Amino acid sequence: GDSVTQMEGPVTLSEEAFLTINCTYTATGYPSLFWYVQYPGEGLQLLLKATKADDKGSNKGFEATYRKETTSFHLEKGSVQVSDSAVYFCALSVNTGNQFYFGTGTSLTVIP
Amino acid sequence: NAGVMQNPRHLVRRRGQEARLRCSPMKGHSHVYWYRQLPEEGLKFMVYLQKENIIDESGMPKERFSAEFPKEGPSILRIQQVVRGDSAAYFCASSPQASGQRNSPLHFGNGTRLTVT
Repeated sequence: GDSVTQMEGPVTLSEEAFLTINCTYTATGYPSLFWYVQYPGEGLQLLLKATKADDKGSNKGFEATYRKETTSFHLEKGSVQVSDSAVYFCALSVNTGNQFYFGTGTSLTVIP
Repeated sequence: NAGVMQNPRHLVRRRGQEARLRCSPMKGHSHVYWYRQLPEEGLKFMVYLQKENIIDESGMPKERFSAEFPKEGPSILRIQQVVRGDSAAYFCASSPQASGQRNSPLHFGNGTRLTVT
């Protein structure tokens, strides 16, 4: 079945450190891939997306590349800030179904 | 341009009572999804609705839970005879198209945090 697996947290980094959060997927159709961010007490917000192989999504300094050969969509940022502290969710949707499939979320804390 | 509106933000119910959670999708969105988030866990799909129709309820518990999205008014998630295990954050999301349509992300509300005492 369709699913998403992302690295477990929590992740703690110092400000300006490099961030990678791993995400791999299994899909029966042609998925679109997404990263969402959830700040404390809020709902999920779309961070970036990619809809086909080799697409790169980017937003607010975050990037992720849709790698079909490794079925991955890892999230990266070159220099994190304290304000990036949040929970990050990898997700996919397929054109044959009705659902979004979310990973379990990775909590990131950035310390000054 | 209001986003997805959920109310109440916080809801406290005693065991055995009913909980009603409301969700108004973004303007122009006719597809609504409900998810449950338990502490330290990810999002679990519950139900997908279009106006007046339940499309996919494969994630809904078979008893005590129901959902509707009437022609007029918000979508309602109803939990009857709540138990402590129902305590969670419930998120609604909307989309202008079915999630199976590519390039159609979900837009989330801020959730309702249900506490059963």
